[in-house]
Amino acid sequence: QLQLHESGPGPVKPSETLSLTCTVSGGSISSSSYYWGWIRQPPGKGLGWIGSIYYSGSSYYNPSLKSRVTISVDTSKNQFSLKLSSVTAADTAVYYCARHVRELDYFDYWGQGTLVTVSS
Amino acid sequence: SYELTQPPSVSVSPGQTARITCSGDALSELYGYWYQQKPGQAPLVVIYKDSERPSGIPERFSGSSSGTTVTLTISGVQAGDEADYYCQSADSSGTFVVFGGGTKLTVL
Repeated sequence: QLQLHESGPGPVKPSETLSLTCTVSGGSISSSSYYWGWIRQPPGKGLGWIGSIYYSGSSYYNPSLKSRVTISVDTSKNQFSLKLSSVTAADTAVYYCARHVRELDYFDYWGQGTLVTVSS
Repeated sequence: SYELTQPPSVSVSPGQTARITCSGDALSELYGYWYQQKPGQAPLVVIYKDSERPSGIPERFSGSSSGTTVTLTISGVQAGDEADYYCQSADSSGTFVVFGGGTKLTVL
């Protein structure tokens, strides 16, 4: 059974960079059929796609966040990571990683999510 | 930017049928997907490719598509179906993933 697990250092101060890692177990991140994505959900609000990456490193991002987002992949560790720079309180959210079925453009497996709070 | 529009809330009594709609121009060309999210949990896909049901999802959940609208139908609603439901698709160029604003299903 495929599992995804988000991890990160905890609270982030305004203007700093948010960093999260998603570890994939029960399957290979190098599968040719899938991208790997990040989605976030501010408290009490809806879901928002951040971006997705292929095991080769090819990635694409939500245009509204593109200038601040970098998603990378480490196939040797079966992990992919998110960096979001110049954060503000508006970036406070639960961040989910998920497997992205690129051919159909949907997310079939999700991590449990991790709350990242931006606060001074 | 591309958007998907859902009603903020739907209320039904147990045993009744709940219908949640999602509208967006690209839905006439691309598939729609539906996720169920219960408090404190990650989203779970309940319908993919407009009307396909993943294994383990009860037959009470069904999906349909017509023009620029996709619809999630839950027949014989149970108390355990109370959740937020999100539709999801992509823009017509396939370069942008979008979620609807979500619909809170209340079982009266």
